Amino acid sequence: NAGVMQNPRHLVRRRGQEARLRCSPMKGHSHVYWYRQLPEEGLKFMVYLQKENIIDESGMPKERFSAEFPKEGPSILRIQQVVRGDSAAYFCASSIGGRGNTGELFFGEGSRLTVL
Amino acid sequence: AQSVAQPEDQVNVAEGNPLTVKCTYSVSGNPYLFWYVQYPNRGLQFLLKYITGDNLVKGSYGFEAEFNKSQTSFHLKKPSALVSDSALYFCAVRDNRDDKIIFGKGTRLHILP
Repeated sequence: NAGVMQNPRHLVRRRGQEARLRCSPMKGHSHVYWYRQLPEEGLKFMVYLQKENIIDESGMPKERFSAEFPKEGPSILRIQQVVRGDSAAYFCASSIGGRGNTGELFFGEGSRLTVL
Repeated sequence: AQSVAQPEDQVNVAEGNPLTVKCTYSVSGNPYLFWYVQYPNRGLQFLLKYITGDNLVKGSYGFEAEFNKSQTSFHLKKPSALVSDSALYFCAVRDNRDDKIIFGKGTRLHILP
């Protein structure tokens, strides 16, 4: 049973370009979380999705950032017109989800974005 | 809204000594509490969780954590530290009324040989 798969593991972009980060959850998991990790700042919640639905995006910047989790295919975190401050590690995690779920999150290995 | 505080950025412990990594939380409803560990350039790995029941929870690699409702704390403990325990540790909380999980800033644990 494959774990959470994130790609690319490393991405380099120039200022103004777009970054697309992909996340395939564990088999059987219908909920995906995205977090951003910066040195000295810990893990910041960005967005929580289930298939075809954004449940909570309270941690997403209002501009340039968007996320989706389509019916088919991976979840995608999209950053438009990247700036140097977007350089960070972006982690995806999945869970079974739902109100009855008390379980833990399963994390991918992260995508490390560097903006030149 | 829920929140988590890890008051120590770094904890240093000699190998073989007991260790404690502190965590306090705030939620409106009943808390679900978690500890995760992160090794360099890796994703987070689940260690243990408290949902309900016994306040002392045992997890992976000999770690345990104690839920204290009156102090709103969930400190991570291990009776005898190993050098291989050196890593970044995150406490996390979920309000039982929704699915959003919030993490603390992390505590870097150094086990000194």
